[in-house]
Amino acid sequence: AQKITQTQPGMFVQEKEAVTLDCTYDTSDPSYGLFWYKQPSSGEMIFLIYQGSYDQQNATEGRYSLNFQKARKSANLVISASQLGDSAMYFCAMREGLEYGNKLVFGAGTILRVKS
Amino acid sequence: NAGVTQTPKFQVLKTGQSMTLQCAQDMNHNSMYWYRQDPGMGLRLIYYSASEGTTDKGEVPNGYNVSRLNKREFSLRLESAAPSQTSVYFCASRQGNGNTGELFFGEGSRLTVL
Repeated sequence: AQKITQTQPGMFVQEKEAVTLDCTYDTSDPSYGLFWYKQPSSGEMIFLIYQGSYDQQNATEGRYSLNFQKARKSANLVISASQLGDSAMYFCAMREGLEYGNKLVFGAGTILRVKS
Repeated sequence: NAGVTQTPKFQVLKTGQSMTLQCAQDMNHNSMYWYRQDPGMGLRLIYYSASEGTTDKGEVPNGYNVSRLNKREFSLRLESAAPSQTSVYFCASRQGNGNTGELFFGEGSRLTVL
């Protein structure tokens, strides 16, 4: 079974508008972490934001925020005031448990295109 | 800061040839990882090393071997390359245990197997 599901293969958003990228996850471990990464066309992986399963508040980093709904097992990325430079592939990822060196599992990604 | 360095960045192989992807990090991280990226499939974990001296299989280990040479270096070897191994390979590292702490990625290595 998929542990991370990103249901939107591609999204379009108008410049300066907000956009939400969906991510749902599946785990029975009470301790986990959720991550979002950006991959521009140049190919590098850029860390955007992190949410821990015990965090009481939704994570925010500048124009990025994470809409964390624990009961629904969703961790959607919200990008406010979209810019042309936000056009990229976005990956949601999860780390389960507290084992040393525990690994990240990634979703298939969502391609975001920002229109001018 | 170099961060995570992968070599080579591009490689073309013929079926059956062998090669090693090298990865080194200068952040004194304990854990290192090898992922492959294929269209529509995101990043899939091949092997990882939680700490120096240990390695474990990920989701797609078949056809690969790894060596954690020391704390800095983690190499990925293809003994007999197959066209199905055409992919972009990413090495990553992370400081330690627990839920916090993101992965730091290298720039990727694009491998084509003919």
